Formats: sequence, structure tokens, C-alpha cells
Amino acid sequence: NAGVTQTPKFQVLKTGQSMTLQCAQDMNHEYMSWYRQDPGMGLRLIHYSVGAGITDQGEVPNGYNVSRSTTEDFPLRLLSAAPSQTSVYFCATLSFRQTTGELFFGEGSRLTVL
Amino acid sequence: KNEVEQSPQNLTAQEGEFITINCSYSVGISALHWLQQHPGGGIVSLFMLSSGKKKHGRLIATINIQEKHSSLHITASHPRDSAVYICAVEYGNKLVFGAGTILRVKS
Repeated sequence: NAGVTQTPKFQVLKTGQSMTLQCAQDMNHEYMSWYRQDPGMGLRLIHYSVGAGITDQGEVPNGYNVSRSTTEDFPLRLLSAAPSQTSVYFCATLSFRQTTGELFFGEGSRLTVL
Repeated sequence: KNEVEQSPQNLTAQEGEFITINCSYSVGISALHWLQQHPGGGIVSLFMLSSGKKKHGRLIATINIQEKHSSLHITASHPRDSAVYICAVEYGNKLVFGAGTILRVKS
């Protein structure tokens, strides 16, 4: 049971390049989500999903795409990176069904866009 | 106005002190989470609450659903408790986070 696996840990991009941040979980959690963390701003929701085939926008979705083709995976795509997307990104998962309801996070991905 | 407000934003304490961090929210929630993030580190879950009180070691979390308020208490604080403490609420099918409280415990 690996929990939440988030890759890569670090990435440097040039403006206009594309990339995908990967998030995988093996806990059968229905809820998966992506957040960005900027200094003084706290965690802001980018996109989330409550199950395979279902995604929705969060607070700051512009410039990001997601898909949820399986329960396990929830990749975050940057189609044309901008310096404003320099941030630390976290994937989080949760099961609304379980009584403990523990929230699990990936280790974070530090992205720099030049 | 943010849906989740934490106070204080910054807190410095002396080792051994009793610490309280507060979280207020403005929406109807199904659960509230307290999280901890050490500098440069990942985010770990401390508690999930839907009512009442939970205790784990020196940490105690309480929630008052009617008042839309939760507190995280740390007893006998230690320098290793220095971290950012984050409150998050579940409502609808979303999680919304507070901005976090930066705690520094001095020895």
C-alpha cells in the first residue's frame, strides 16, 4: 500500500512548454484533487474529481487540465506553462465513505517556469 | 471573505506552553481536518472531526458545529511542534483550506 504517489518532485520548464504532473493512489479513494501552494496564500484548489469520469473546477483552474479515466490516477496537465504557474503542487485524496476519513497528500511537486 | 479563516496567522511560543490555534468557517460542513506541514516538508493529517473532540498524544482537536468553529490545542509544546498547521473543511464534494498558522516553538 503506497498511499499517494506524486511525480515529479521537481521540474523546471520554459514558458510555453507543456508537462503533466502525475498522481496515483492505491486506496480506492473516490475523491482526488490538485492544489497549488504559494507563499502566504495557503492551499488553493485547482481541479478535483469524485470518481472516474467525473472532474470539476476548483478555485484556480485556468491554465490546467485534468482527466480521471481510472479510480487510481488523476494527472494534472499544463498545456502552455506560464511564470505565474511557478508553485508547489500537491495531490490529495480522500474517501468520503470511510468513517476515519483521513486525508492523504502526495509529497509535492515544485515547479519553476522560466 | 474566505470560507475558512484561521487565527492566529503566526504564533511564537516558549517550550512547554499550551498552544491554541483556531479555525472558523462560514459554510455547512460534513467534516473538518487538521493538517501539519513542516518546513520544506509534506502535509500530514492530524485529525478528522465531524463532532466533539479527539486526542492524540499532546494534540487535542475540538469542533463546535453550531458555532462553526474548531480549535487545535498542543499541550507541553516542544520545538519539534514548529510547523504550519492547516484547517480544511469538507462541504459538498470539495475540500477548502485555511491559509494556515505558522507556529514556532522556542527552546
